[in-house]
Amino acid sequence: DQQVKQNSPSLSVQEGRISILNCDYTNSMFDYFLWYKKYPAEGPTFLISISSIKDKNEDGRFTVFLNKSAKHLSLHIVPSQPGDSAVYFCAARTNAGKSTFGDGTTLTVKP
Amino acid sequence: DAGVTQSPTHLIKTRGQQVTLRCSPISGHKSVSWYQQVLGQGPQFIFQYYEKEERGRGNFPDRFSARQFPNYSSELNVNALLLGDSALYLCASSFNFGGAGGYTFGSGTRLTVV
Repeated sequence: DQQVKQNSPSLSVQEGRISILNCDYTNSMFDYFLWYKKYPAEGPTFLISISSIKDKNEDGRFTVFLNKSAKHLSLHIVPSQPGDSAVYFCAARTNAGKSTFGDGTTLTVKP
Repeated sequence: DAGVTQSPTHLIKTRGQQVTLRCSPISGHKSVSWYQQVLGQGPQFIFQYYEKEERGRGNFPDRFSARQFPNYSSELNVNALLLGDSALYLCASSFNFGGAGGYTFGSGTRLTVV
């Protein structure tokens, strides 16, 4: 039973446009949601997180939106840059610290 | 400051053998977590340690074990290796246990079982 799902394996956008990456979850007990970016041959790098009591968190070009009723979150990247091309993982965490990851979405930003 | 360091970076083992993977967290970080990443999937939680105590265990068989040392470094041991244990093993460290902060991951150890 996959508790965190990223239904789009890949996404391609033009440089300067908005990238929207989506994530769905099933466990209403998650307390925090996080996004990580991963380049080949490197470990995931933390991007941004949101508490389950909030519906939006913004950090520079990155904004995460949380819709608890729909058990859905999304990461918006605006404007997208070629250096943003990577695999993006959505993760959900209870206060006990264990993180459950989705299978990732490969973002390609074309110049 | 050094990031999370894992060793070795790659290794090849034979079915039935045992392997030990090592992780040094960022200085000052007291929590270490281990994840297994199979190609095409997201990282799967194996263990979390905080202040040298096990704080969580994922759905992995007893062949998997880990420990955290007084200097907060950690080892992951896998006994009786199976072909299906071939994966990238990631270590992550954080200052606290839980909370909203992201973990810092190492680059991983690529284990191939033949």
